[in-house]
Amino acid sequence: AQKITQTQPGMFVQEKEAVTLDCTYDTSDPSYGLFWYKQPSSGEMIFLIYQGSYDQQNATEGRYSLNFQKARKSANLVISASQLGDSAMYFCAMSPLNQGGKLIFGQGTELSVKP
Amino acid sequence: DSGVTQTPKHLITATGQRVTLRCSPRSGDLSVYWYQQSLDQGLQFLIQYYNGEERAKGNILERFSAQQFPDLHSELNLSSLELGDSALYFCASSVGTKQDTQYFGPGTRLTVL
Repeated sequence: AQKITQTQPGMFVQEKEAVTLDCTYDTSDPSYGLFWYKQPSSGEMIFLIYQGSYDQQNATEGRYSLNFQKARKSANLVISASQLGDSAMYFCAMSPLNQGGKLIFGQGTELSVKP
Repeated sequence: DSGVTQTPKHLITATGQRVTLRCSPRSGDLSVYWYQQSLDQGLQFLIQYYNGEERAKGNILERFSAQQFPDLHSELNLSSLELGDSALYFCASSVGTKQDTQYFGPGTRLTVL
């Protein structure tokens, strides 16, 4: 079964510190994409970062990096130098090649950044 | 701003009614996706269209239908509404059909009373 698991319902981090949000996935497809989205309290879904299953290097986008460990089927999001505006829900998602383009989402992790 | 627009932003209606949600994709994107976000089910994929044709179907109820028009905008029709249909409905768009980054619209919050 295709599944995304986010085991941390809520997390706290001090402003300016780094934080890792966990994501594990399950798929039998050899090719897939992994995504992270941010959903602030205002409700919109904001794309953060993408990692392809055949990419050799971990993806980075500004303060966001994806720690991709294919053998362990994990795709953790690392946010460096946390800011108050990073407080939001974070969703990990997967797009298996043989499922069209649909995204399979995890349950999300609520991140709170403390001043 | 993702470039994906959705209307209306909020919709309040009664059980048994029918509503239409509208989505315009980003310029140049040919794929449109619909997702439902509810507290108990989380984010669920409903349906995907690519250049006017249905490409993939998820857990979409028979009471729900969608289409993509020649100008690439899409509509999601929800009929015989039930209380449990109350949710945030997102439209997303991407250039192609597989593993392209999907950009989400602001969503339509549907409340069924």
